[in-house]
Amino acid sequence: EVQLVESGGGLVHPGGSLRLSCAASGFTFSSYAMNWVRQAPGKGLEWVSSISASGGSTYYADSVEGRLTISRDKSKNTLYLQLNSLRAEDTAVYYCAKDTGPYGDGPLDYWGQGTLVTVSS
Amino acid sequence: DIQMTQSPSSLSASVGDRVTIGCRASQGISNYLAWYQQKPGRVPKLLIYAASTLQSGVPSRFSGSGSGTDFTLTISSLQPEDVAIYYCQKYNSAPLTFGQGTKVEIK
Repeated sequence: EVQLVESGGGLVHPGGSLRLSCAASGFTFSSYAMNWVRQAPGKGLEWVSSISASGGSTYYADSVEGRLTISRDKSKNTLYLQLNSLRAEDTAVYYCAKDTGPYGDGPLDYWGQGTLVTVSS
Repeated sequence: DIQMTQSPSSLSASVGDRVTIGCRASQGISNYLAWYQQKPGRVPKLLIYAASTLQSGVPSRFSGSGSGTDFTLTISSLQPEDVAIYYCQKYNSAPLTFGQGTKVEIK
């Protein structure tokens, strides 16, 4: 059974940093691209970032470019999202989602339960 | 970047009604289009990919069509458990943009 379990969310001050993790199990982690998608309270889904299966290619939404860094550790079957220079508008539930292929150009077939990031003073 | 626009933003229909949701891409995306369902308080779930392929386990009352810039999600006979927000997403290349969502309610 595919499982994606996010952690690392919490309350952070504007300008602060946070690292989110997503522990994956039930599939060959190194064979699939992975994504982060966020959802602000009461709002729609916003794709944030993706990383190819090899880790060699990364992609970001314009709204987070330069402030967020996606990475993966195949030895730990874990996906990460480093969030820096956080703003109030980054407040959201952050979902980890698995791609159906290795390159980041597929639909997202499994999603974690999400971790809440709140940016507030 | 390609924008994805859904219509309507919300709809209310009776149980058993046929429901149609539209999604328009600002540029052609071939059939690289997915539909997701998010029930209240739940995680998004993949319903349809490649514009018209039903994900395993999804009821056959859901169907998708379209190619290029115009796409449609149809629920042939609306059920109470279909109350949710539905999102389209393009995935041919980054950014993997979602539509703004369509809220479906029971009348």
